[in-house]
Amino acid sequence: AQSVTQLGSHVSVSEGALVLLRCNYSSSVPPYLFWYVQYPNQGLQLLLKYTSAATLVKGINGFEAEFKKSETSFHLTKPSAHMSDAAEYFCAVSPVSGNTPLVFGKGTRLSVIA
Amino acid sequence: GAGVSQSPSNKVTEKGKDVELRCDPISGHTALYWYRQSLGQGLEFLIYFQGNSAPDKSGLPSDRFSAERTGGSVSTLTIQRTQQEDSAVYLCASSRQYNEKLFFGSGTQLSVL
Repeated sequence: AQSVTQLGSHVSVSEGALVLLRCNYSSSVPPYLFWYVQYPNQGLQLLLKYTSAATLVKGINGFEAEFKKSETSFHLTKPSAHMSDAAEYFCAVSPVSGNTPLVFGKGTRLSVIA
Repeated sequence: GAGVSQSPSNKVTEKGKDVELRCDPISGHTALYWYRQSLGQGLEFLIYFQGNSAPDKSGLPSDRFSAERTGGSVSTLTIQRTQQEDSAVYLCASSRQYNEKLFFGSGTQLSVL
């Protein structure tokens, strides 16, 4: 069964600092990978996705993630944190084919300190 | 509609009562998903629909949970004889095709007293 592990349930960074949210996946074959974001009092929305094209994926709001097969990782980064980035971030995995729906990680809450 | 709509937004019920949660997906979206979000537990998959059929019901926590979808549109998640551990945010999402970009509703906050 596929799964994702997000390291750190809570990450705190200073405004302007690098954001790094970690996600490792478990899958017998390279899957599709996603990052979703949930801003306070809002529904989840897609931040970016990897679907076996370019390994470096750029998303909205300056975020990007790099698929590294050798490390089974799909870490999310942003060079400079903004106060508005404070939210809950979820990594998710799905198979390229088949009927298994998205499996989400437990989420990482990002706090940005002024 | 413009987005996925869920109702009610909040539901407080007594232990042992039945509740119905409703989801209106984006028009034209064939796939519909139910997830449960509990504090510290992330998103737990419950069930998904492709059209009106549910190929995978393995995520439903117990036989007290059931869901249906009619007309390839509205879906209802029913929890019978609610228990306190059922308290959570129930999220609905839809996508144009299965496992394409999911659009989430704002959820129903269920509190079982």
